[in-house]
Amino acid sequence: DAKTTQPNSMESNEEEPVHLPCNHSTISGTDYIHWYRQLPSQGPEYVIHGLTSNVNNRMASLAIAEDRKSSTLILHRATLRDAAVYYCILSQINNDMRFGAGTRLTVKP
Amino acid sequence: ETGVTQTPRHLVMGMTNKKSLKCEQHLGHNAMYWYKQSAKKPLELMFVYNFKEQTENNSVPSRFSPECPNSSHLFLHLHTLQPEDSALYLCASSQDIAETQYFGPGTRLLVL
Repeated sequence: DAKTTQPNSMESNEEEPVHLPCNHSTISGTDYIHWYRQLPSQGPEYVIHGLTSNVNNRMASLAIAEDRKSSTLILHRATLRDAAVYYCILSQINNDMRFGAGTRLTVKP
Repeated sequence: ETGVTQTPRHLVMGMTNKKSLKCEQHLGHNAMYWYKQSAKKPLELMFVYNFKEQTENNSVPSRFSPECPNSSHLFLHLHTLQPEDSALYLCASSQDIAETQYFGPGTRLLVL
């Protein structure tokens, strides 16, 4: 299985952008990059996913390196409600996704 | 989010009890999953069902027994658990394997 590496924790100030990095140097051509987050006392929730091109949705943006060996989840204006553990996961068709330890994001007011 | 529901939300049980966790998804998905999340540990995938058939069992002890009677319902039957089994048990579903997963709120289990 392709693995991902994320920092254990990051801090951000409220209303500032946050860039959450993820390394996946052994990614294969068919691996999708998924991001989930888990707020305190809740189950994980889907944030965004992509294959090769950068992606935007109402929650975040996903920037994928040209060689696809890394990606960055971008929260354009962090709020206190964005404090969560963010997971970067690779998945292939017909293979289940495996969650790692993720990055714990702290947002300071 | 009401797409995936889990009951009960909290459960306390003794080591000799038998209990069941229930998960229901209203999203028309074909795949369902059980995860275990212990304190300060990553999510551990326990079981995967695709079209009601179990496709994965990640070396889970037999005291955990899953059941998937149809593609909308998933159960986890618990029997003679140990205190170390205390954790948050999460259910998820996806349209197909490896597609976006939608999680329920979880059942927080305490084994005394």
